[in-house]
Amino acid sequence: DAMVIQNPRYQVTQFGKPVTLSCSQTLNHNVMYWYQQKSSQAPKLLFHYYDKDFNNEADTPDNFQSRRPNTSFCFLDIRSPGLGDAAMYLCATSSRVPYGYTFGSGTRLTVV
Amino acid sequence: GNSVTQMEGPVTLSEEAFLTINCTYTATGYPSLFWYVQYPGEGLQLLLKATKADDKGSNKGFEATYRKETTSFHLEKGSVQVSDSAVYFCALSKSGKVIFGPGTSLSVIP
Repeated sequence: DAMVIQNPRYQVTQFGKPVTLSCSQTLNHNVMYWYQQKSSQAPKLLFHYYDKDFNNEADTPDNFQSRRPNTSFCFLDIRSPGLGDAAMYLCATSSRVPYGYTFGSGTRLTVV
Repeated sequence: GNSVTQMEGPVTLSEEAFLTINCTYTATGYPSLFWYVQYPGEGLQLLLKATKADDKGSNKGFEATYRKETTSFHLEKGSVQVSDSAVYFCALSKSGKVIFGPGTSLSVIP
């Protein structure tokens, strides 16, 4: 089945040690999004790619970066994770936004 | 700016009870409206959607009607089951982005 896959499901990283989360899709959607969701809160958009065009949200910290080497893959890089970056990170894709997103299962990041 | 407001939870219901989760939005123009569901430890799943005024979205016994006059998109289900226990997010899309409400946690007890 076509889907959005996030790896790993659980990631533990050390304070200040760079970490990369990955997302892949078989839907051939041209838009990919990264959301941060903290406990009991709504997902917060960090940035998105429309094809190769990167769109950063104004309040996304510089500590968060993203790469999209091709249509299928998108990566979230956290350069120096802090304790406050512990959260669920959700990847989503869309071909036509009025029809909604398809989400991956998320990666839960723990910072120790 | 664009925003979504939902009724505060948590909501606890007995099995087979009637469910309503209120959602109102603020947006210019005509956004598309969605309900997403998140089960524990999982990502979000699209539950239903409506793309224009007076549209009714429905799925798995859940329904919501796009009411432009009241800027609302309330979620309803006639008879909830224990398996419906989850967090429900109302959302709108505008200008290429989806904006989520704060979520409403639903617990259904046998």
